[in-house]
Amino acid sequence: DAGVIQSPRHEVTEMGQEVTLRCKPISGHDYLFWYRQTMMRGLELLIYFNNNVPIDDSGMPEDRFSAKMPNASFSTLKIQPSEPRDSAVYFCASTPGGRGYEQYFGPGTRLTVT
Amino acid sequence: QKEVEQNSGPLSVPEGAIASLNCTYSDRGSQSFFWYRQYSGKSPELIMFIYSNGDKEDGRFTAQLNKASQYVSLLIRDSQPSDSATYLCAAGDPGRRALTFGSGTRLQVQP
Repeated sequence: DAGVIQSPRHEVTEMGQEVTLRCKPISGHDYLFWYRQTMMRGLELLIYFNNNVPIDDSGMPEDRFSAKMPNASFSTLKIQPSEPRDSAVYFCASTPGGRGYEQYFGPGTRLTVT
Repeated sequence: QKEVEQNSGPLSVPEGAIASLNCTYSDRGSQSFFWYRQYSGKSPELIMFIYSNGDKEDGRFTAQLNKASQYVSLLIRDSQPSDSATYLCAAGDPGRRALTFGSGTRLQVQP
């Protein structure tokens, strides 16, 4: 399998612009997670989906952030408007479901907001 | 607040030695535990998981779990310079199907 795929790998944008990050989970995985990683705060869970349904979005920092999963093979994380403090690496991960909790991460998107 | 604590390091060991990485967790309900390796500029890579008390071995890696002490460790035998990375410990959240990650321990293996 190709693993979790994320795009773009790097994104540089100006404050106030809309940013959309994309993720394709591993085929057959039932759960999809979005994380943000910074030096100061480490790896933070933003939101996760089960069978395309958002289950827990308590980690989404504010209303500027939104996430969707229109089908089993695609998810987006959108930031509108973006701010410099949103600069971070954003990871997507997926889990096969069943009894296993192990998560497999994508390569990440490095976002820089100037 | 559920927490996973790790010493940030760096932990420096000579090549060929055993590296011991430790982690404690606060939620007694956690049943599953994971070790991820993250090279600089890369994504976390799953290297071990453990669900039961005791030891679990996979090649040069051994994960140890002590639920009574709420303690998880990772031993790396015959450490190599290529093992130099940040190691993240994570605990499964039984109520949420999510993982709580520690902040990571940076390991440096000196040639």
